[in-house]
This record gives sequence, C-alpha cells and structure tokens, in this order.
Amino acid sequence: GDSVTQMEGPVTLSEEAFLTINCTYTATGYPSLFWYVQYPGEGLQLLLKATKADDKGSNKGFEATYRKETTSFHLEKGSVQVSDSAVYFCALSGYSTLTFGKGTMLLVSP
Amino acid sequence: EAQVTQNPRYLITVTGKKLTVTCSQNMNHEYMSWYRQDPGLGLRQIYYSMNVEVTDKGDVPEGYKVSRKEKRNFPLILESPSPNQTSLYFCASSLNGPEGPSTDTQYFGPGTRLTVL
Repeated sequence: GDSVTQMEGPVTLSEEAFLTINCTYTATGYPSLFWYVQYPGEGLQLLLKATKADDKGSNKGFEATYRKETTSFHLEKGSVQVSDSAVYFCALSGYSTLTFGKGTMLLVSP
Repeated sequence: EAQVTQNPRYLITVTGKKLTVTCSQNMNHEYMSWYRQDPGLGLRQIYYSMNVEVTDKGDVPEGYKVSRKEKRNFPLILESPSPNQTSLYFCASSLNGPEGPSTDTQYFGPGTRLTVL
C-alpha cells in the first residue's frame, strides 16, 4: 500500500537557519503530494502541495518539489523564524484517502 | 468564517460508555473524514464519507462507527470505548473534485482529545 516516510525529529534550528525536512513516498500511480503544518494546540492546515511530477509547491517561504525519479518531496525554507516552530506532516493522496507521514517537529530558537 | 468544528474538545470517559464526537463544516464540502493522531504514528484515517449516505472504512475503523445523514455533519461514534482508543481525533472536509476529494485541500477541525479510563 501507499506509505510516506519522513525524517524523525525534533529538528532544532536557530532563527535564520536553512531548513530541510526529508520526505519520501511509495505509491501506485501518480499521487498528489502535500505538506501540512500543525501549530501547538491546533488542527492541521495545508502548507503547500504539488499535483504532478516536477511541480514546485510554495507558500510562506517554504518550497517543495515533486521528484518522481527519487519519489521525494522534501520541504525547504531558506531562513526559518521562531514562528515556524510546529509539527510538519508530509502526505500523499489516493483517490479518496490521504496517507500521512509520522510528522517532524521543528523547534526554532531565537 | 469557513470552518470545521468539533465537539467536545476534551473528553474523559470510562470503558464501555458510549460516546459521540460531533463534526460540522460550513463550506458545503462533499467529502469528510476522521483521523486519529497518536505519538510516533502520525495521523491515521478511521472513516471517510464521499457524500451524504456514502461512508467507507479507512485504515483503522475497528471500534468506531460513523453516519452521514446531512452534508454538513459527520459524527464519530464509539459504542463501547476502550483505553486503546485514547487519542487525539481530527475531523476534516474537502471538496470532491474531478481527481478525487483527497487531492483537494483538506480543512481540519481543532481536534478532540479523548481519554478512556
């Protein structure tokens, strides 16, 4: 079945550091790929998505490129802020279901 | 304001006492879904619904029931809760686009933290 593997956390960075959170997937067909973010005490919200190979999703300074050849969708940001501290989930879609990774906690210190 | 609401937000109950967690959305979305979030396991789908009166099992449906009698509501029912159902539960909704509802943005509720003693 479909699965998503993302790097374990927590990832601890200083403000303005470069961020990479790795995500790889296994799926049949050509799924859409997502990054969702969960701030403390809240539900998940969509950060960005890509629906086909080589698409780049971007939002709030975060980017991720759908790489079919490496089955990856790594999340990057050039300069993180304290307010980016959250749990980040990589996910892929089947027709009617979303499969999530286990989540990566990001902690950014001033 | 477009939103998904869940009630209650927090619940402590005892083994075997039936409970219902409500979920409601005001975006006229066809698709709704329930997830549970557990440490080290991420989110796992319990049930989903493509539209009124259409429901199907997700990855972890055992011990849960759902119904979809109205488009806006999708309650989660635990008929005989057990301690292994202690978890954080999220409801989500989305449009049902031509490439499937899960390719559209999922809108999540704030979560219900359930403890079963």
